[in-house]
Amino acid sequence: LAKTTQPISMDSYEGQEVNITCSHNNIATNDYITWYQQFPSQGPRFIIQGYKTKVTNEVASLFIPADRKSSTLSLPRVSLSDTAVYYCLVGGTAYSGAGSYQLTFGKGTKLSVIP
Amino acid sequence: SQTIHQWPATLVQPVGSPLSLECTVEGTSNPNLYWYRQAAGRGLQLLFYSVGIGQISSEVPQNLSASRPQDRQFILSSKKLLLSDSGFYLCAWGGSPYNEQFFGPGTRLTVL
Repeated sequence: LAKTTQPISMDSYEGQEVNITCSHNNIATNDYITWYQQFPSQGPRFIIQGYKTKVTNEVASLFIPADRKSSTLSLPRVSLSDTAVYYCLVGGTAYSGAGSYQLTFGKGTKLSVIP
Repeated sequence: SQTIHQWPATLVQPVGSPLSLECTVEGTSNPNLYWYRQAAGRGLQLLFYSVGIGQISSEVPQNLSASRPQDRQFILSSKKLLLSDSGFYLCAWGGSPYNEQFFGPGTRLTVL
């Protein structure tokens, strides 16, 4: 399973673009990159997923270089409500039996948006 | 639309007591269901995975068990709670964990 490394925390002012980078040097060929957002005392919420190049939806963009050893979640013009923990997950979508996921979200990146 | 429910929202239990947490999903059929735990200061860890009624996969060794008696019902249980079972328990449904998953509101369990 690909291990991921993210910054523990980041600060940003309202209205700025925020880029959170995740390193995953041992990503496998069939692995996808998925980002979640979590507010305190709530379950994570799916933000975006990608395999390569760039993916964009209504809330974020995901940039993945050709070697796929890292990815960057980009949040345009953040607001106070974007203050949350952001998790990067890397893994395959196929299940091969009990214990095959061994999934832990890790501690993520705590983003604090400042007024 | 699909919704996911968990109860209770909070629970305080003594060490050695039994546990039963329930999760139900509405608006979808035959979902893949998951139990996660988030312990204080630690990441969210996948505990159990179910692809159908009676089909449970345990992802990590633990003091807990899971059951799926109905298509959209997922239960997390323990015969005797340990202090280390304290945490925030989340139920989720969806495809693979690495695809989009939808999480419930969670249960905050404190074992004293």
